[in-house]
Formats: sequence, structure tokens, C-alpha cells
Amino acid sequence: AQSVTQLGSHVSVSEGALVLLRCNYSSSVPPYLFWYVQYPNQGLQLLLKYTSAATLVKGINGFEAEFKKSETSFHLTKPSAHMSDAAEYFCAVSKNFGNEKLTFGTGTRLTIIP
Amino acid sequence: NAGVTQTPKFQVLKTGQSMTLQCAQDMNHNSMYWYRQDPGMGLRLIYYSASEGTTDKGEVPNGYNVSRLNKREFSLRLESAAPSQTSVYFCASIPGLANNNEQFFGPGTRLTVL
Repeated sequence: AQSVTQLGSHVSVSEGALVLLRCNYSSSVPPYLFWYVQYPNQGLQLLLKYTSAATLVKGINGFEAEFKKSETSFHLTKPSAHMSDAAEYFCAVSKNFGNEKLTFGTGTRLTIIP
Repeated sequence: NAGVTQTPKFQVLKTGQSMTLQCAQDMNHNSMYWYRQDPGMGLRLIYYSASEGTTDKGEVPNGYNVSRLNKREFSLRLESAAPSQTSVYFCASIPGLANNNEQFFGPGTRLTVL
């Protein structure tokens, strides 16, 4: 079975500061890993995904995440926060083959302080 | 392409009433999913359909039924609504291609059961 744990249900950073959102996974097989973003009153949008190619994955809006097998982690980072980054972020895991359902973390709400 | 569409956007029901949430995708995706989102609990899978003609239970199926009407449409039915089913419901689909479990989400249906 797969699962993800997101540390910190709420994270606040100042505009221009580093964003770090933590995700640890548990998987019985090599995983696919995803980060999704949800803006207020909207559906989820894919930020980036790891599918066993490069361990450092770059996504949209300047976000990136690094797959670390030894730490079972897939933390999301952005060097400089922008006000428009305020949203809820979800980490998700699936098995590494097709048509497999995703298991989501409980989410981290990111607040940007002007 | 409209992507994944959901109707209605908002709904208020009384306890015991029934309703069907509609979902359609125009991307020729094979697999479709229904989630509910509740504060602090992330997204939980209700039912999914790996392909046309098949449906399977997810994590929280009690009180719901689904129909995969054709490849495009996947509906979720509440036969006798309860206040515990107050939630935001998301439909999602995936292409079903090798090495791609990226899910595409609809905008959600906000359901309140009084």
C-alpha cells in the first residue's frame, strides 16, 4: 500500500523567502510522486511529477522537488515566494505503472506574508 | 477541449434527498475517479472506474453509487443524503497511458446536506 505524510498543515513565509513544503512517502513498490496545487474555490492542478527519470523535477511557476529514496522524501521548494503562490498544496503517490489510483496527503496551506 | 466538467457547481439538499453528480471528460481518458475533500483530510477516493464498464470501491464508498455511462461520463449518486456527506466533490481522469498517472481534475461540486 502507498501513503504520503505532509508535515505541517499550515506554512507561512514572507514574500521573497524560500518555500519548503515537506512530503514523505511510503510505498511497497517504486512510486510515482506528484505535487498538486489548489487555488481557492478551484480544482487541483498538477505542479510537477516524478516518474523515475531525473530525481530533481522542475514544475510550473518556479517550483521544483527532489526525489530522495534514502529519505523517502519528495519535498517541494521554490527559491522566492510570490503572493500568487498562496494556495493549498497536496502531495500524492501511486504505483509506478499505468492506471493506478493516487493516494493524497492531507495538504499544506501556504500563506505568503507581504 | 473543455477538460473535465462537473455539474452542478453548488447544491443544497435536505437529509434523505437523492441526487446525482455528473462528470464528463473530452480527453478520451480511460480511467475516471470520484473524490471528496474535507478540511484536514485531503482528498479521499470514493469510487473509480479503470475503464468503460468497470467500477471499483475506493476508500470511502458507503452511501454512494456510481455509473460509468460511457467512456466520457462517470456519475456519482447519493441515494439518501446525510449531513456527513457535506463536502466538496471532485471528479478526475487519467489518460491510461504507460508511465503517466497524472490526474486531471474538474472544478468541483460543493454539496451541503442540511
